Amino acid sequence: GNSVTQMEGPVTLSEEAFLTINCTYTATGYPSLFWYVQYPGEGLQLLLKATKADDKGSNKGFEATYRKETTSFHLEKGSVQVSDSAVYFCALSDRYNFNKFYFGSGTKLNVKP
Amino acid sequence: KAGVTQTPRYLIKTRGQQVTLSCSPISGHRSVSWYQQTPGQGLQFLFEYFSETQRNKGNFPGRFSGRQFSNSRSEMNVSTLELGDSALYLCASSKTGQGQQETQYFGPGTRLLVL
Repeated sequence: GNSVTQMEGPVTLSEEAFLTINCTYTATGYPSLFWYVQYPGEGLQLLLKATKADDKGSNKGFEATYRKETTSFHLEKGSVQVSDSAVYFCALSDRYNFNKFYFGSGTKLNVKP
Repeated sequence: KAGVTQTPRYLIKTRGQQVTLSCSPISGHRSVSWYQQTPGQGLQFLFEYFSETQRNKGNFPGRFSGRQFSNSRSEMNVSTLELGDSALYLCASSKTGQGQQETQYFGPGTRLLVL
């Protein structure tokens, strides 16, 4: 079956530090992979996505590369800001049930000034 | 372009009651999905509607139901509420839900508290 595993949080970093949030997946076939971000009291916002192996998704300084050989989609940012403090969710969908997302448990990021 | 809207934003109910939540998708979007978010179980898929038909369903009991109207607006209903139904219910929409190049957009959610 399909599943997503994310690193446990919270992750606490100082401003301008390097961020990595690990995400690995199990899926049948070739899923699409996503990172969503949730700010306090809000819904989910799409951060980036990749639809095939070796694709790199990027947005607002965040990047993630679809690695089929390691079944991973780790989120990285070179220099985090206080405004990046939020909960980050890794998700996958398979090509036959595209809108049936499987989410990881979420990783809370706290960035201190 | 207006985003996905959900009403109401907050609800308090008591055990045994039923509740109806509403979702208006982005204009032009015909696929609407519902998710339940709880601290213990995380984000779980409830169901998806497209062109007024349920196209996909998660592993929830029959107390959870939904429907979609001809204007793509969707409602979900939970009958005989239990304490464990307390959650943030998120709605998401996309154009057709059938292409990997599509993006699913989420609403702000309805927070339901069951007492």
